[in-house]
Amino acid sequence: AQSVTQPDIHITVSEGASLELRCNYSYGATPYLFWYVQSPGQGLQLLLKYFSGDTLVQGIKGFEAEFKRSQSSFNLRKPSVHWSDAAEYFCAVGGGSQGNLIFGKGTKLSVKP
Amino acid sequence: EPEVTQTPSHQVTQMGQEVILRCVPISNHLYFYWYRQILGQKVEFLVSFYNNEISEKSEIFDDQFSVERPDGSNFTLKIRSTKLEDSAMYFCASSDQGGRDQPQHFGDGTRLSIL
Repeated sequence: AQSVTQPDIHITVSEGASLELRCNYSYGATPYLFWYVQSPGQGLQLLLKYFSGDTLVQGIKGFEAEFKRSQSSFNLRKPSVHWSDAAEYFCAVGGGSQGNLIFGKGTKLSVKP
Repeated sequence: EPEVTQTPSHQVTQMGQEVILRCVPISNHLYFYWYRQILGQKVEFLVSFYNNEISEKSEIFDDQFSVERPDGSNFTLKIRSTKLEDSAMYFCASSDQGGRDQPQHFGDGTRLSIL
């Protein structure tokens, strides 16, 4: 079955520290992977996407993600977290014929000063 | 930057009543989607829509649900007879092309509360 797993429900990091949010997927065909961010009271904003080619993809706001087919993972990273990065982060895989997104449960990121 | 807009931001409705959630997708986009997020749970796909018809729908999208593009700009989700379990955040999304590799642009959502 197609699914996305985000093992960490809540992560707290200090401002300026590095960040890695985990995502594992299960998909029978070539996965098209996305990371979205949701700030409180707002919709989902696309951070980055992976389709093919270079397994390290760059996104907005200084985020990057690495696709590892052997581990079925697409972890999100940022070298230095800012207080404004506090939000909920969702990993998703594109499914169906029209690309309906299959989401993970999300990881809530808190940033402490 | 163009964005997807949803109205209202919060809708409170009595159980059994009909509710219509409205969305204005990005103007040149052709593919439209509805998702929902029950509090504390993951975002779930409801339905996709292209060329004035439903492309795909999930098991959640039963006969109580319908979608419509009544004019050139709006895309609506109707729940015919609401249940308590319909309480959720409903997100509209659009993309300029369909397919698994196409990013979708989301609105800020409508929080639906069923009493």
